[in-house]
Amino acid sequence: NAGVTQTPKFQVLKTGQSMTLQCAQDMNHEYMSWYRQDPGMGLRLIHYSVGAGITDQGEVPNGYNVSRSTTEDFPLRLLSAAPSQTSVYFCASRGPFSPYRYTFGSGTRLTVV
Amino acid sequence: AQTVTQSQPEMSVQEAETVTLSCTYDTSESDYYLFWYKQPPSRQMILVIRQEAYKQQNATENRFSVNFQKAAKSFSLKISDSQLGDAAMYFCAYRGGGGADGLTFGKGTHLIIQP
Repeated sequence: NAGVTQTPKFQVLKTGQSMTLQCAQDMNHEYMSWYRQDPGMGLRLIHYSVGAGITDQGEVPNGYNVSRSTTEDFPLRLLSAAPSQTSVYFCASRGPFSPYRYTFGSGTRLTVV
Repeated sequence: AQTVTQSQPEMSVQEAETVTLSCTYDTSESDYYLFWYKQPPSRQMILVIRQEAYKQQNATENRFSVNFQKAAKSFSLKISDSQLGDAAMYFCAYRGGGGADGLTFGKGTHLIIQP
């Protein structure tokens, strides 16, 4: 089924470890973005991309890196995990001619201990 | 930077009644989009309704409608004939009309439906 696939669904990390959250879409969407959702905070934009090779920072980019080498994939990297990065992470995408139709992944629940 | 404020952390309504969720936003842009998303316990993000700022007519989707007051920067969601399946977190969101992407969300309103 067409959509946004996030892996893994759950992850536990130790402080200081690194990992990559994967996000892939098969809809040929140009725009992709990462969010984190903390209790009582709603979703906050971490990074976004408007096409392969083009990324930019969102509201809360510190501690996260992204790159966009292909249209399909937009991985989010945590270089040195901290307990403050414990959250649920969502990836979303949209096509260039769909200014309002975002497709969200099902989320990754990350716990940093 | 744009901000979105939802002043009601929780709302409760009787089944079949009408409820209105509030949202205000702050922006200096003239071209933008506003959204209401529903998030049930499954965490899935479901688009309920959206409004383009250049459209004066309020958007409507079946039992869901908005009251868009551009000058007041207000974007409330009205749910008519509330159903048990409407119980969820509701998020108001904003996206600018320029070349950037990504949504700015409010903190959400937890909607409880009383049977």
